Formats: sequence, structure tokens, C-alpha cells
Amino acid sequence: RKEVEQDPGPFNVPEGATVAFNCTYSNSASQSFFWYRQDCRKEPKLLMSVYSSGNEDGRFTAQLNRASQYISLLIRDSKLSDSATYLCVVNGVTGGGNKLTFGTGTQLKVEL
Amino acid sequence: GAVVSQHPSWVICKSGTSVKIECRSLDFQATTMFWYRQFPKQSLMLMATSNEGSKATYEQGVEKDKFLINHASLTLSTLTVTSAHPEDSSFYICSARAPRGTYEQYFGPGTRLTVT
Repeated sequence: RKEVEQDPGPFNVPEGATVAFNCTYSNSASQSFFWYRQDCRKEPKLLMSVYSSGNEDGRFTAQLNRASQYISLLIRDSKLSDSATYLCVVNGVTGGGNKLTFGTGTQLKVEL
Repeated sequence: GAVVSQHPSWVICKSGTSVKIECRSLDFQATTMFWYRQFPKQSLMLMATSNEGSKATYEQGVEKDKFLINHASLTLSTLTVTSAHPEDSSFYICSARAPRGTYEQYFGPGTRLTVT
């Protein structure tokens, strides 16, 4: 079983749609969780951290369910510029807690 | 926010040669930097953790004699791919741990290596 699993997609949605991605992680001792965004042939960029209580940043909402070991990302009113690959990232407990483990990413395509 | 630069952006080299990639933290000191590799349609895979002033910690399956890491200062880490082969062709990305002490990492723009 992969440490971090995501549906690779692609998810093709019309502009203005609401779309949600899920991610599951295998290590119950994981401490920190993030969503990164990666554009084609570019480096990943932090979209948002994920907190236990859930958190929102504009059109983006992230939630964490520790009991079920899954993380979600909700994008409302999607824009063409939201087209990218969204990476679920979990901080590991090896290497002094510094190790980030990346999912393979979920590809989103927002269309007119 | 914190900025990490990486050079070169892309490089094409012949099989058997060595290539050095630089990673710099531009406006903060980074005692810990990380080197990742990403093959097409795959996730980022951590290769090694680079610690300033000490030896790098390599992940399982990564050859330390092939991928030489030097973290000589608080703002610079280098990765040298020695005796490169076509299968080493990949997207190499460095990152630095956020200075605030969280687990966030700031990524460099990546280096696309093509070995012919």
C-alpha cells in the first residue's frame, strides 16, 4: 500500500464548478498535512496546510479526518487557472520528522 | 515568502559525464535542504536530506556515490550526478525547510536533466 494515495484523474470540470479531491495516508502517526499545487514542468507550490479543525482559504477548503486517515480539498467556483495537478503531502515521522511524502497527484482540468 | 533558487533550469549532457545542480536559499538560512527526483507522471521521490556541515542522509535505494551532495553553507546545497546515464534523466527539485520551524518546505524551480 502506498503511503499517500490519490486518484490521478484527470478530472475535467466546467468553469464555475465545485470539485473535491480526496487523499488517504497509511501512517497513523503522521503529524502535518498539506496540499501542494504543481503546474506542468514546474515545481510544487504550497496551496494550503490542512488542520484538524478544517480550514478555508478563499475558494479552497481543506479537511482532515484522522480517524479515517483521509484528507480532502474542495475547490469552489473553479477557474481556468485552477487547472493543475494537486498533490496531497504528508509529513512523515522518520528523519526527525522532516520527511514529506507526496501522493502522485490528482490532475484537474477546468474547461470553458 | 521564502525563495529558493536552483540552477541550471535545464541541462543536456552526454552519458558518462557529471552534472552539478545548485540550490540556494535566497533570503533565509537553511540548515536542512532536500533533494527530490520526479519522473514523468510520477510523484516526487525524496532522494536525500542535506544537512549543513554534515553528511547527507540518503533514502533507501539512492546511491550516495552516484549522487554527491554537499551542503557547505547555510544557503547553498549542491547535487552532483556523477557518470550520468540516460536513466538518470529526470526532473530534480530541491527544497529548503521553512525557517519558521514548521514542516513546510519551499521548493526551487527544478532542474530538468536529459542524458543522451
